[in-house]
Amino acid sequence: QKEVEQNSGPLSVPEGAIASLNCTYSDRVSQSFFWYRQYSGKSPELIMSIYSNGDKEDGRFTAQLNKASQYVSLLIRDSQPSDSATYLCAVKGSADYKLSFGAGTTVTVRA
Amino acid sequence: KAGVTQTPRYLIKTRGQQVTLSCSPISGHRSVSWYQQTPGQGLQFLFEYFSETQRNKGNFPGRFSGRQFSNSRSEMNVSTLELGDSALYLCASSLGLGADTQYFGPGTRLTVL
Repeated sequence: QKEVEQNSGPLSVPEGAIASLNCTYSDRVSQSFFWYRQYSGKSPELIMSIYSNGDKEDGRFTAQLNKASQYVSLLIRDSQPSDSATYLCAVKGSADYKLSFGAGTTVTVRA
Repeated sequence: KAGVTQTPRYLIKTRGQQVTLSCSPISGHRSVSWYQQTPGQGLQFLFEYFSETQRNKGNFPGRFSGRQFSNSRSEMNVSTLELGDSALYLCASSLGLGADTQYFGPGTRLTVL
């Protein structure tokens, strides 16, 4: 079982719609969760971090965490063509603090 | 504030050769982590250096090594290159060991022929 798994995509959404990205993780004791965005040919950039159960909103982005279900998600509201990218879920290990990344979900926003 | 820099940006090597990649973290950042990114395996952690010491290591063979200097700059070395080592190598800097916010450099694209 992989440490971090994401819905593989690709995900295509029309402009203005909500894009929903999902991620599950295997380390039950992990406390830190992150979403990175990676444009084609570029390096990842951190867009959201979440540590507590529930929702965390930042602009058009909402991260949701459910530690009991070992599940973290990212919602992108009012999707824009500039949101077209690969989104990487990352989880910090509880024992070694290293970041484990999912394979990423590629999102395409259709104008 | 300048971001993370990596040199070289592109590299072509042949099997059996060795390669050294360099990473300069953001000023004031003391931790440098290295990652390998490939289409098949995604982004995988190689190692993390803090205060010139390797603090964390991923599941890579001993051909992959690194070091960190007193100014926090880091290098990684891959010896006896294999075709499967072709990848984008990314370094990320953060303020301290295990710090949550990591800033990635642009990467070094290594091609092994």
